[in-house]
Amino acid sequence: DIVLTQSPDSLAVSLGERATINCKSSQSVLYSSNNNNYLAWYQQKPGQPPKLLIYWASTRESGVPDRFSGSGSGTDFTLTISSLQAEDVAVYYCQQYYSSYTFGQGTTLEIK
Amino acid sequence: QVQLVQSGGGVVQPGGSLKLSCAASGFTFRSYGMHWVRQAPGKGLAWVAMTRSDGSNEYYADSVKGRFTISRDNSKNTLYLQMNSLRVEDTAIYYCAKGIGNYGPFNIWGQGTMVTVSS
Repeated sequence: DIVLTQSPDSLAVSLGERATINCKSSQSVLYSSNNNNYLAWYQQKPGQPPKLLIYWASTRESGVPDRFSGSGSGTDFTLTISSLQAEDVAVYYCQQYYSSYTFGQGTTLEIK
Repeated sequence: QVQLVQSGGGVVQPGGSLKLSCAASGFTFRSYGMHWVRQAPGKGLAWVAMTRSDGSNEYYADSVKGRFTISRDNSKNTLYLQMNSLRVEDTAIYYCAKGIGNYGPFNIWGQGTMVTVSS
């Protein structure tokens, strides 16, 4: 099974500052035949279901603010929030869909 | 309006059974893979099972294989999860989710339903 490890487990960032969350996969999730990384990012606020933010490692889901961006390839990926807003407080998960489906353990993002 | 509305859930004793339902609306249900994902209290997300758009194949997490059965009725736009031989460790919020295509990530989620396995 593919294991996803996120870092850090939690972070506190000031409003308007950049937040960066990392996700490392135990094996590559890059499918060579189409050059796509089978990696997604979700946001989950308390008491709500998760919300898809990013898929194919860097494609923003419709309606997601452009302050959210994804990058990386192969085994190392990053979710960046360019200018943190109060409504971005949440737990963030990466997910691979290359081989079955697994999620990272989650990163809790708070306001400093 | 694209949505998934879940029903079922509740409290059941270890070894018991429960069936969850997930009614879809606002999209062509028969065209998409559908999933169940669970979240134990205070924990992260764990994929449980999926069914292809036409219901021809099902896939399961090892933790539920042989105990849970995912199914769908494309004529009723409804997804199901039959849970048998329930264990205390199956206690979680269960979410249904729509995939992008058959095997892509999950872009629409149900509201979640709590399943508690306790004596």
